[in-house]
Amino acid sequence: DIQMTQSPSTLSASVGDRVTITCRASQSLSSWLAWYQQKPGKAPKLLIYKASFLESGVPSRFSGSGSGTEFTLTITSLQPDDFATYYCQQYDSDLYTFGQGTKLEIK
Amino acid sequence: QVQLQESGPGLVKPSQTLSLTCTVSGGSISSGRYYWTWIRQHPGKGLEWIGSISYSGSTFSNPSLRGQITISRDTSKNQFSLKLNSVTAADTAVYYCARDYGVNFRAFDIWGQGTMVTVSS
Repeated sequence: DIQMTQSPSTLSASVGDRVTITCRASQSLSSWLAWYQQKPGKAPKLLIYKASFLESGVPSRFSGSGSGTEFTLTITSLQPDDFATYYCQQYDSDLYTFGQGTKLEIK
Repeated sequence: QVQLQESGPGLVKPSQTLSLTCTVSGGSISSGRYYWTWIRQHPGKGLEWIGSISYSGSTFSNPSLRGQITISRDTSKNQFSLKLNSVTAADTAVYYCARDYGVNFRAFDIWGQGTMVTVSS
């Protein structure tokens, strides 16, 4: 099974900052990599699919990139609403795996 | 638009079967190329994929749970369901149903609100 490792586990940042979250796969992926935002008590919300495609309605300050085993989620100009937990998710051979999450906190 | 809603008991006794249903509104579970999925989240932890059922009714599941789960659907009611056998306290979690948008997508674009299930005597 493919394992997904996110870093960092916790990230402290300020409004207006640019932040990057990394997701590393234990083996090469075929670009089926997605990113989600989750707030306490709520279901996750899809932000990015196929590594770099922005889901409809998601602000353009969110972007995804990467290939192979390393993928990144970048948020430019952090807004107060962006402080949440972020998860990556991969799909391969009828298996889905999530990363362990990155909690983005206000500095 | 498509909406998903989980339903089922919030408390299950150890060794019993956890049964949840996801009702889909605004679209048919047997049309399109979607995969209807169960995901859980243990308290304070990350997300764990449980299993999925396709638009055609085929199923696939997490190998770590494969002997324990059954995923089925009722197209007449536009619902899909999860049964998790022989539960223990480790199965206490928020259970979500979600939609994978399909073979060229492989991400979950629509989620239910989640339902908390506690396993306790």
